[in-house]
Amino acid sequence: QSALTQPASVSGSPGQSITISCTGTISDVGGYNYVSWYQQHPGKAPKLIIYDVSNRPSGVSNRFSGSKSGNTASLTISGLQAEDEADYYCSSYTSSTTWVFGGGTKLTVL
Amino acid sequence: QLQLQESGPGLVKPSETLSLTCAVSGGSISSSSYYWGWIRQPPGKGLEWIGTIYYSGVTYYNPSLKSRVTISVDTSTNQFSLNLNSVTAADTAVYYCARRQRSSSFRDYWGQGTLVTVSS
Repeated sequence: QSALTQPASVSGSPGQSITISCTGTISDVGGYNYVSWYQQHPGKAPKLIIYDVSNRPSGVSNRFSGSKSGNTASLTISGLQAEDEADYYCSSYTSSTTWVFGGGTKLTVL
Repeated sequence: QLQLQESGPGLVKPSETLSLTCAVSGGSISSSSYYWGWIRQPPGKGLEWIGTIYYSGVTYYNPSLKSRVTISVDTSTNQFSLNLNSVTAADTAVYYCARRQRSSSFRDYWGQGTLVTVSS
């Protein structure tokens, strides 16, 4: 199975909004609403920030939102803060009853 | 509060078997609501899903690793384990165990991760 496609890096200034894309196929992202997003700071375990395309776990800031159109899912972070600087990964269920991650996107807050 | 803790050797020789255990505390691994899985991350690289197990023993594996991977569960000790045989340097990674809610992508609890280096 191939990894989902994410941009290697994105950047934004404090207060701005950014969007990270996650592109797959009809066999994964496009076929199921089981897309999740994770935030990972250096040396730390990934933290779930969005599940099932657009749901936020309890305690996650409402500045994080998720959506999907066709075979591409997106994570939007509004009101960028310095603490948002991290790596972000998407993940999707696949038609092979497996899971696949994206290659990761490094977010830099300028 | 649920906690997951990985344990096992930090150094494995090439061609040998990597064995890790994930101890679950603060909740039961026998819950019908969750799957338990392993994810790894090579140094400086992205996440890779290894596989998942249900308390009943049903397993799902990454096709690229399937021939070398076995995940098992021990409900009596509230633990699940990963065995990866015939390892090479490419298997050097931080290995995480995690819990995922059934019928969802809600993978909420993760262990802290353990670095396994494959080297002679």
